[in-house]
Amino acid sequence: DGGITQSPKYLFRKEGQNVTLSCEQNLNHDAMYWYRQDPGQGLRLIYYSQIVNDFQKGDIAEGYSVSREKKESFPLTVTSAQKNPTAFYLCASSIRDRHSNQPQHFGDGTRLSIL
Amino acid sequence: AQSVTQPDIHITVSEGASLELRCNYSYGATPYLFWYVQSPGQGLQLLLKYFSGDTLVQGIKGFEAEFKRSQSSFNLRKPSVHWSDAAEYFCAVGTPDFGNEKLTFGTGTRLTIIP
Repeated sequence: DGGITQSPKYLFRKEGQNVTLSCEQNLNHDAMYWYRQDPGQGLRLIYYSQIVNDFQKGDIAEGYSVSREKKESFPLTVTSAQKNPTAFYLCASSIRDRHSNQPQHFGDGTRLSIL
Repeated sequence: AQSVTQPDIHITVSEGASLELRCNYSYGATPYLFWYVQSPGQGLQLLLKYFSGDTLVQGIKGFEAEFKRSQSSFNLRKPSVHWSDAAEYFCAVGTPDFGNEKLTFGTGTRLTIIP
């Protein structure tokens, strides 16, 4: 079955440590997205990529970095500069269509906690 | 820039009762509108979407939504809820702007079903 796979499901980070969250999709989608979800705040966009080797900052990019070397993969690194990284992280992907805004498909998320 | 408001943080309904979840958006033209549902610890699943045409949209799981331009609203409805509908519901807005396929999400409405 086609879909989006996020790993790991749970992740723990020590103070001052960088961690990388994996996101892989086999839907052949061009666009991929990373969101952060905190209770009561909905989803906030961290980074998005519309094509391989290109990505743009979202609303809360500080303390995060991404890469898009392959169409299928869009890993997110939470750096030590992110002072409050505890959250639920969601990856999504979508078709790019000049005539409509296609819905985004979501993975099951990674919950990151600070030790 | 577009924005989305979900005025109700938490709604409780009895099983078998009707449901309406409110969503208001702010955008200068006709946006693309989506409703997603999220079960605890899971990703988001698309319920339905509106791009153009008929303002009453049918979705999965017996949900429907009506786009009302005059009220800038896209409320989600279900005639009779089931215990399995307990979840968090998110409204999202996108813009018909190829090259800017970002979605803006509301803060969500948590639905509790009582027997």
